[in-house]
Amino acid sequence: KAGVTQTPRYLIKTRGQQVTLSCSPISGHRSVSWYQQTPGQGLQFLFEYFSETQRNKGNFPGRFSGRQFSNSRSEMNVSTLELGDSALYLCASSSQGAGGSYEQYFGPGTRLTVT
Amino acid sequence: AQTVTQSQPEMSVQEAETVTLSCTYDTSENNYYLFWYKQPPSRQMILVIRQEAYKQQNATENRFSVNFQKAAKSFSLKISDSQLGDTAMYFCAMPNAGKSTFGDGTTLTVKP
Repeated sequence: KAGVTQTPRYLIKTRGQQVTLSCSPISGHRSVSWYQQTPGQGLQFLFEYFSETQRNKGNFPGRFSGRQFSNSRSEMNVSTLELGDSALYLCASSSQGAGGSYEQYFGPGTRLTVT
Repeated sequence: AQTVTQSQPEMSVQEAETVTLSCTYDTSENNYYLFWYKQPPSRQMILVIRQEAYKQQNATENRFSVNFQKAAKSFSLKISDSQLGDTAMYFCAMPNAGKSTFGDGTTLTVKP
């Protein structure tokens, strides 16, 4: 099976702009989670989608949003970018519904730089 | 709320030696899973090993094994016969549905 893919791999944006990141999960996986990774804050959970519904949400401002399509592909959007949004954004997919081990498979990430 | 703590930001080990990375956690659940993930420099994060809390036996995957102490809420990772390719950041994690809580990570350097 193909792994989790994320596009684009690298992005440079200016403060105030918005950005959309894309994630394609492993075939058959219905859960897609997004994480922000920064040197200072580590890995922080953004949100999780399961069967097109947001099932979990982390403590991020409303500028961060996401969605999932019927083919399980997911996008996350960040509006009004701030310098502090510079980070590696990781997507992870899992095959599990409620219960189960929730073993997550990670994509390579999108490196976002805000100038 | 779940918490995961890794108290060793950096560690180093000589090639072929054994190293142990520490992790403590807190949860109110009785049955849960714990994972160790490896993130090599500029490469994808991959699952190294998993442990189910209700299983008393410690998990083992080739050179990687865990010491799971449920009462102490401790979950350490032992890497035997360290190899240069083991150089990476290691994260201890606890899933909760599709949301995982990660420790801050331990950067491990294997020296030749």
